[in-house]
Amino acid sequence: GENVEQHPSTLSVQEGDSAVIKCTYSDSASNYFPWYKQELGKRPQLIIDIRSNVGEKKDQRIAVTLNKTAKHFSLHITETQPEDSAVYFCAATNAGGTSYGKLTFGQGTILTVHP
Amino acid sequence: EAGVTQSPTHLIKTRGQQATLRCSPISGHTSVYWYQQALGLGLQFLLWYDEGEERNRGNFPPRFSGRQFPNYSSELNVNALELEDSALYLCASRDKRGRDTQYFGPGTRLTVL
Repeated sequence: GENVEQHPSTLSVQEGDSAVIKCTYSDSASNYFPWYKQELGKRPQLIIDIRSNVGEKKDQRIAVTLNKTAKHFSLHITETQPEDSAVYFCAATNAGGTSYGKLTFGQGTILTVHP
Repeated sequence: EAGVTQSPTHLIKTRGQQATLRCSPISGHTSVYWYQQALGLGLQFLLWYDEGEERNRGNFPPRFSGRQFPNYSSELNVNALELEDSALYLCASRDKRGRDTQYFGPGTRLTVL
């Protein structure tokens, strides 16, 4: 089955700096890669996603890149703000395959943005 | 539009008992997913229901089971509770009509003593 590795497990940055979180996946059939942000005591919220037919997607200060050959994808947050502090999870699935519906998550990255 | 709701918020049980957790999807969403989030760990896929049928199952023992009702709400049952079942149980729903996004509920915190 799919296996997703996420690094780093913790990331501390100064306000205004950029933050990068990286994930690798094992199943070459995976074609949908969402990123979720989970604040303390709250539900995971989708912040951005990418499908395997594109290499990069941006939404304001957030971007995701995908390298299908290397089977890794990354989350980039620019101009970080204290409210970006949260746990970030990457995930992967084969949308349309027999495992469709089963999101495999990385272990999470605790991002702390210091004012 | 109301989001995914779950009940109860917290549930305390003793080892060997049974727990029942409930989830109501976003209106119009027919797919419901259950995930377990143990302390310090990521989300582990438990079960996927769609149109009343179990479609996929994660690597969990058979004592984890559930069902989906005609109104697409869902129930997760955990029998013969063990201490390691203590976790946050998250439900998510998805609109199958051309979208892959899963929207999560607030979760049920299950504590097994």
